[in-house]
Amino acid sequence: TQTVSQSDAHVTVFEGDSVELRCNYSYGGSIYLSWYIQHHGHGLQFLLKYYSGNPVVQGVNGFEAEFSKSDSSFHLRKASVHWSDSAVYFCAVREYSNYQLIWGSGTKLIIKP
Amino acid sequence: DAGVTQTPRHEVAEKGQTIILKCEPVSGHNDLFWYRQTKIQGLELLSYFRSKSLMEDGGAFKDRFKAEMLNSSFSTLKIQPTEPKDSAVYLCASSLEQGAVFFGKGTRLTVV
Repeated sequence: TQTVSQSDAHVTVFEGDSVELRCNYSYGGSIYLSWYIQHHGHGLQFLLKYYSGNPVVQGVNGFEAEFSKSDSSFHLRKASVHWSDSAVYFCAVREYSNYQLIWGSGTKLIIKP
Repeated sequence: DAGVTQTPRHEVAEKGQTIILKCEPVSGHNDLFWYRQTKIQGLELLSYFRSKSLMEDGGAFKDRFKAEMLNSSFSTLKIQPTEPKDSAVYLCASSLEQGAVFFGKGTRLTVV
């Protein structure tokens, strides 16, 4: 059974701090991984995805994520957060061979002034 | 550049009513998803279409939830009859195969 785990339900940092949001998955086949952001009252918006090549992928608004096959991880990072980054972040895994899209439970990022 | 459009944004229904939610996917996308989102359950897949063919009908949601896609640019989700536990945000999303998934702003349904 494929799973996507976001172990932190909430992460709190100060504005200007760096942040890492964790995502671990269990799946043995060919997949691609992605991150989405959801601001309060809105739908999810795509941030970035990885399927091959350079394990560090750049997304919008200064976000990047690093794929690690050995750790089965795809953690999201930002060097300096802004108050507007306050949102819920979702990690997702999608198989190459079929439609299955598996979502993590989300991590709420709280930015203190 | 039109994204995914969902209507209405808010819906209030009495228990037992039939409601229909609407979705227009991004033009050219061949995958369409319907999700229900609640704080407790998170994102739950209701239906998935690929090139207008129903690929996934949501298992436990089958009896009162029915999604249709009569053409590639329009989909509906019918809930019949509604129950208070159906109160949630309903999200429609579309994508190209293996591409980024684009979400609508959602419909907030309240069943009283």
